[in-house]
Amino acid sequence: QSALTQPPSASGSPGQSVTISCTGTSSDVGAYNYVSWYQLHPGKAPKLIIYEVSERPSGVPDRFSGSKSGNMASLTVSGLQREDEADYSCSSYAGYFNWVFGGGTKLTVL
Amino acid sequence: EVQLVESGGDLVQPGGSLRLSCAASGFIFRSHAMNWVRQAPGKGLEWLSHITAATSDTYHADSVKGRFTISRDNAKNSLYLQMNSLRDDDTAVYYCARGQHYAFDLWGQGTLVTVSS
Repeated sequence: QSALTQPPSASGSPGQSVTISCTGTSSDVGAYNYVSWYQLHPGKAPKLIIYEVSERPSGVPDRFSGSKSGNMASLTVSGLQREDEADYSCSSYAGYFNWVFGGGTKLTVL
Repeated sequence: EVQLVESGGDLVQPGGSLRLSCAASGFIFRSHAMNWVRQAPGKGLEWLSHITAATSDTYHADSVKGRFTISRDNAKNSLYLQMNSLRDDDTAVYYCARGQHYAFDLWGQGTLVTVSS
């Protein structure tokens, strides 16, 4: 499977909102409501922040939200905070116990 | 504490083999599907392998099929990845990750595998 497409970078000022896109195909993102998002800080374990397109695990602030339309999913971070600066990666179930990830987006808080 | 701890990463020559381990604690390991995911330098995450909870059925990405094998020992709360015929492009940080809701809800900090002569 090909990787999902994410913009390499995104940025916003503290308090602003930023949206990161994740584009797949009708075989992965478009086929299943199993898109998830991960926050990656260097040297730390990746952290799940969104699953099943828009569900938040316990402990994840509601500033993080997810959505999907067709073959594209999106992660929105509202009320940006300095600690939100990190890499963000999307993933989608692709059927037959296979998964595909995006290339990652580096979010900079200006 | 709920955690996953990977080990076994090393410098290995092309064509060589390596076995990674992942020790789970703080949760009922045998009840969860498990996965291996890697991140090559400067690249995005790549899903590699999945093993089911109840029947230990295994699934692998095309990029590693026939070379890598995922397995688990529920008595030892451990997950493994046997890697054979290693290539330069297998150089990466390897993570074990717990499966839940068709996502990866718990990750280890990773172990570095470097394939180089």
